[in-house]
Amino acid sequence: GAGVSQSPSNKVTEKGKDVELRCDPISGHTALYWYRQSLGQGLEFLIYFQGNSAPDKSGLPSDRFSAERTGGSVSTLTIQRTQQEDSAVYLCASSKGEGGGEAFFGQGTRLTVV
Amino acid sequence: AQKVTQAQTEISVVEKEDVTLDCVYETRDTTYYLFWYKQPPSGELVFLIRRNSFDEQNEISGRYSWNFQKSTSSFNFTITASQVVDSAVYFCALMGRNAGNMLTFGGGTRLMVKP
Repeated sequence: GAGVSQSPSNKVTEKGKDVELRCDPISGHTALYWYRQSLGQGLEFLIYFQGNSAPDKSGLPSDRFSAERTGGSVSTLTIQRTQQEDSAVYLCASSKGEGGGEAFFGQGTRLTVV
Repeated sequence: AQKVTQAQTEISVVEKEDVTLDCVYETRDTTYYLFWYKQPPSGELVFLIRRNSFDEQNEISGRYSWNFQKSTSSFNFTITASQVVDSAVYFCALMGRNAGNMLTFGGGTRLMVKP
């Protein structure tokens, strides 16, 4: 696609429910990143994929968070048993994954846990 | 491990002033890439520039310029004659070659340009 696409753009969920956030990277981009940004804060790294594998999962805040990527393309970030502190904007980015290609970001998914 | 530090959390200037945003990085890689991103109030992160570690030439793009100094591990960003539309949060980022393609961001600098 022309850019990184994330869905949904907004999600309100009740505490304790599971949510799935989707990211469609730019076609041909092998690297995919998930970040979290709380209101007025910086970017918190969550996970990074090179192809379908995740060399670095160190940023996932708890075992309630998981992510997968299939076919070297679409990625899904799943949060189980959501808590209020999970409320944030979840940003996805993709890059060519070689030679330090710049990462392009999606518009983000704003998650609100009530 | 990679680290990016943006010591200035918030800067306020009056329109037409010049402003420099500081970025200091740490990496053990000899090959790495540095980036600046802009996040306007709309929230979308916009890519501004990429430099690789072998190219220390400063770059100018309109009112924007970047000063890359390996000796001080810094990659500073200057906006000349600032405008209200420059108001945003600016992030510096680092990608080390031996860190795979891991992209590490600084904490960001919020720039407010007042009319």
